Amino acid sequence: DIQMTQSPSSLSASIGDRVTITCRASQSIDTYLNWYQQKPGKAPKLLIYGAYRLQDGVPSRFGGSGSGTDFTLTIHNLQPEDFATYYCQQTYSNLITFGQGTRLEIK
Amino acid sequence: EVQLLESGGGLVQPGGSMRLSCTTSGFNFNNYAMSWVRQAPGKGLEWVSGMSNTGGNSYYADSVRGRFTISRDNFKNTLYLQMHNLRAEDRAVYYCAKDTGYHHPGDAFDVWGQGTLVTVSS
Repeated sequence: DIQMTQSPSSLSASIGDRVTITCRASQSIDTYLNWYQQKPGKAPKLLIYGAYRLQDGVPSRFGGSGSGTDFTLTIHNLQPEDFATYYCQQTYSNLITFGQGTRLEIK
Repeated sequence: EVQLLESGGGLVQPGGSMRLSCTTSGFNFNNYAMSWVRQAPGKGLEWVSGMSNTGGNSYYADSVRGRFTISRDNFKNTLYLQMHNLRAEDRAVYYCAKDTGYHHPGDAFDVWGQGTLVTVSS
């Protein structure tokens, strides 16, 4: 199976900050990398697919980059509604795997 | 509006069986692969199983292979997960998710249900 490792596991930031979350795959996955946001008690929400493509309706302050094994999710100008847990996911393999999650908290 | 609604969760004894359903509406179910994803309390997301749009191909995580079976009824627009020999570690919220393509895996999961809780306990 392809292992997905996110870092950091948690981080604290303030409204208006820019934050970056990284995701590393145990082997090359081209750009088959997605990012999801999950708030407590809610289902995950797709933010970015194909490493950098913004899902419809997602604010442009969210951005993704990377290819191969290393990927980043960047959030500019943090808003109150952005404090949540973020997961990366690879869909390169039939056996889909997620990263362990990054919890973004208000400083 | 695209909607996914899971049902069938609840309490089951270790070693027992349970079938989850995911009733869908608002899109052409026949055209999309579907998956089940679970989340144990306080833990991260774990993909469980996926199936192509026709039902011709199915895939399972190592943790459930041989115990769980995914299926779909394209006339009823419904996805299923039959679970056997349930273990304490299967306790989780189970989500169904719509893929963006007809084959598994597609690009991503663009629509999710609200989840149904499965508890395995004596």
